[in-house]
Amino acid sequence: DAGITQSPRHKVTETGTPVTLRCHQTENHRYMYWYRQDPGHGLRLIHYSYGVKDTDKGEVSDGYSVSRSKTEDFLLTLESATSSQTSVYFCAISDRGAGVAEQYFGPGTRLTVT
Amino acid sequence: KNQVEQSPQSLIILEGKNCTLQCNYTVSPFSNLRWYKQDTGRGPVSLTIMTFSENTKSNGRYTATLDADTKQSSLHITASQLSDSASYICVVSALNTDKLIFGTGTRLQVFP
Repeated sequence: DAGITQSPRHKVTETGTPVTLRCHQTENHRYMYWYRQDPGHGLRLIHYSYGVKDTDKGEVSDGYSVSRSKTEDFLLTLESATSSQTSVYFCAISDRGAGVAEQYFGPGTRLTVT
Repeated sequence: KNQVEQSPQSLIILEGKNCTLQCNYTVSPFSNLRWYKQDTGRGPVSLTIMTFSENTKSNGRYTATLDADTKQSSLHITASQLSDSASYICVVSALNTDKLIFGTGTRLQVFP
C-alpha cells in the first residue's frame, strides 16, 4: 500500500460522538486526500491537502474537518458522527496534483455509526 | 456534468477466459484516464494511466484502450486468473484540476 497506513482499520461508534481517523505516509508526498466509498457511488473526495496546513474541501465535505500539521500525517475528524457517515474511508497520496500524478491509496478504514 | 459510467456492473467468467470491461465518460476537457483494481477489503491499485494521445496501454495481462473522440475506454483481461477477482474502477481527470471523477466500478468474479 505504497507506505500508507490508516488507523484505526475498523471502528464502531455511536451517533453524536466525535471520531478522528488518521492517515500516515512514509513517502514524503506533498498531496494527501480523504475519500469515502459507498455502495452505488464512486469514490468521493471529502477533503484534500496540498501541503502542511494547506487544505481544501472536496465534493462531500459537510460534517467533516481535516488537519495536517506534519507532512506525513493527515487527520479526518467527524465532529458529531451520523449514521449517514457509515462508510469505508480511504486516504490517498500523490507527489503532484491528482490530475496529473499517480495516486496511491491506503488500506481503508471501515466506520460504522450506530 | 462530469460523469464516468462503467459496464457491466458485475461479470462472472471462468478461469482462463478473456473479458472486456467498458468505461464511458463525459468529462471535459479531458486530461487522462486511469484504471484501478480494488481487491475486497483493500484500497484501489493503479493498473494504467492514459493521456489523450495514447490509445493503448498494457500492464501484463491487462490492456486498456482509449478512444478520446467517442470518450470510451475498455479494459481487456487476457487469460483470467482467480486473482483477477476484484472490482475494476475507471477514473477520469479533467484538465487543469486536481480532482478525479470515479466510476462505480465493475465487479469481476473469476471461477475455476
